[in-house]
Amino acid sequence: GAGVSQSPSNKVTEKGKDVELRCDPISGHTALYWYRQSLGQGLEFLIYFQGNSAPDKSGLPSDRFSAERTGGSVSTLTIQRTQQEDSAVYLCASSLGSGGGGGELFFGEGSRLTVL
Amino acid sequence: RKEVEQDPGPFNVPEGATVAFNCTYSNSASQSFFWYRQDCRKEPKLLMSVYSSGNEDGRFTAQLNRASQYISLLIRDSKLSDSATYLCVVKTGGFKTIFGAGTRLFVKA
Repeated sequence: GAGVSQSPSNKVTEKGKDVELRCDPISGHTALYWYRQSLGQGLEFLIYFQGNSAPDKSGLPSDRFSAERTGGSVSTLTIQRTQQEDSAVYLCASSLGSGGGGGELFFGEGSRLTVL
Repeated sequence: RKEVEQDPGPFNVPEGATVAFNCTYSNSASQSFFWYRQDCRKEPKLLMSVYSSGNEDGRFTAQLNRASQYISLLIRDSKLSDSATYLCVVKTGGFKTIFGAGTRLFVKA
């Protein structure tokens, strides 16, 4: 596709369940980011991947959160034992990852997670 | 202290007004700076990059002050369509990209 694709667009789950969110970046983009945005709040950095380098996980809020990126393309963000405070929109972005720190980030439309 | 701080607003201005937003960042080693725009319930999109020499794009002017570690965005002749949240963005070492919480702007007819 032409843009960053995220799925599911909406997910409602029960407290304690595990969820997986998927991001398909723009073809050729080597950098991939995950952010979380709670209602009315700014974007909270979670993790980024750049090429084959070790990911920067410094923003993950707890060990219930993990992410992987397979084959330098698709990424999955997994939240284990979800809590109500995990409810937010999870945004994925990708960038070319070359020169000047990578340039413009292109965002997907996000996955809205609601934990009941 | 947050890495990137912005006045959340909201700024309520009439059409045609000039409005300015400031943003401060804490990491003096930050390398690249941007303003993004986010419409309600939409994903952020790049508005403009911010260069050390300052840059202008139509009605929008961005400035960077490295000594004081702040970034500004000036919008002239505000339009109704400028109503949005403006996000200050800073790239620190490597590709790590930090967003401010955003400043909300409402332009009224």
